Amino acid sequence: DVKVTQSSRYLVKRTGEKVFLECVQDMDHENMFWYRQDPGLGLRLIYFSYDVKMKEKGDIPEGYSVSREKKERFSLILESASTNQTSMYLCASREAAAETQYFGPGTRLLVL
Amino acid sequence: GNSVTQMEGPVTLSEEAFLTINCTYTATGYPSLFWYVQYPGEGLQLLLKATKADDKGSNKGFEATYRKETTSFHLEKGSVQVSDSAVYFCALNTGNQFYFGTGTSLTVIP
Repeated sequence: DVKVTQSSRYLVKRTGEKVFLECVQDMDHENMFWYRQDPGLGLRLIYFSYDVKMKEKGDIPEGYSVSREKKERFSLILESASTNQTSMYLCASREAAAETQYFGPGTRLLVL
Repeated sequence: GNSVTQMEGPVTLSEEAFLTINCTYTATGYPSLFWYVQYPGEGLQLLLKATKADDKGSNKGFEATYRKETTSFHLEKGSVQVSDSAVYFCALNTGNQFYFGTGTSLTVIP
């Protein structure tokens, strides 16, 4: 079974802090994704990566950056957290030629 | 542009009732269509998919048919169980990117 893990299930941070959300997948997938999930808005793509050291902006990249130094790990960085970044963050991965994405359990971030 | 519209919830049904969750889409080209399910406290799991027009995806008693003429992919189940309580997301894939609907929360009561 594919396993996608996220470093924290719940996180509380203060405005202005730098926040790191980590995602690790164990199936050697090339592609990895970061989404945020908000009530009434569904999932929105923040950033994705097709391979190591590659990154592409999604629909809402403002205020975020990412890092993919190793194939299995994809990090989402909030350079200076703001209250409007309070959300559920979901990581996903997939094989390059496949359509199905596999999701992690999510990190619920609260920015005070 | 590409987008997915699904019926708003929440939906509450009694056990063994018939379920329909409507989903329509707008897309360029020929997308694949998906239903994902999110159980409480978990990430999304693929429920079923269809890759071309008139395909029917099915899993765990759920079904959805890819209808190109009506640009729809409605989710159905003949008899829901309490364990089906979850949030259901319709999604399309254009090849590079997924587009998700806003999710429909389903609660099944005994």
